[in-house]
Amino acid sequence: GNSVTQMEGPVTLSEEAFLTINCTYTATGYPSLFWYVQYPGEGLQLLLKATKADDKGSNKGFEATYRKETTSFHLEKGSVQVSDSAVYFCALSSSSASKIIFGSGTRLSIRP
Amino acid sequence: DAGVIQSPRHEVTEMGQEVTLRCKPISGHDYLFWYRQTMMRGLELLIYFNNNVPIDDSGMPEDRFSAKMPNASFSTLKIQPSEPRDSAVYFCASSPGTAEQYFGPGTRLTVT
Repeated sequence: GNSVTQMEGPVTLSEEAFLTINCTYTATGYPSLFWYVQYPGEGLQLLLKATKADDKGSNKGFEATYRKETTSFHLEKGSVQVSDSAVYFCALSSSSASKIIFGSGTRLSIRP
Repeated sequence: DAGVIQSPRHEVTEMGQEVTLRCKPISGHDYLFWYRQTMMRGLELLIYFNNNVPIDDSGMPEDRFSAKMPNASFSTLKIQPSEPRDSAVYFCASSPGTAEQYFGPGTRLTVT
């Protein structure tokens, strides 16, 4: 069945450091891929998405590229800020408007 | 738009009591999802609806849990009787028929 595996947390970085959070997936066909972010005390919100191979999703300085050959969708940001501290979820959907399969989440903490 | 609205935001109850969680999806969204989030099990999909009809309830943990969607603007998740292991944050999310979901702020349930 479909599944998402993302790197274990927590991840602690200093402000302005480079961020990578790894995500790989298993799915049949051509799923859509997502990164969601959850700030403390809030629900999840969509950060970025990619719907086909080689697409790059980007938002708020974060980027992720849909790599079908390696079944990966790694999240990157060149210079993190304290305000980026949150839990990040990699996710996939194998068809439109159906359930999303979420990874286990990676907690990110940024030191000033 | 007000986004997905959930009530109450916090609920503390004693074991054995009935608990009802409420959700108002974003107007025009045809899909509604109920999730549970705990430290131990992460984010779990409990049930989802399409046009007010339950499509997949395979994530509902047991018969103590039930969910209804009497109309397009309202859904409830009921636990009867509640147990301490039901303590979690419960999220409602809605979708307009694309693969993106929009989450509410959650209800933090504590069963003592």
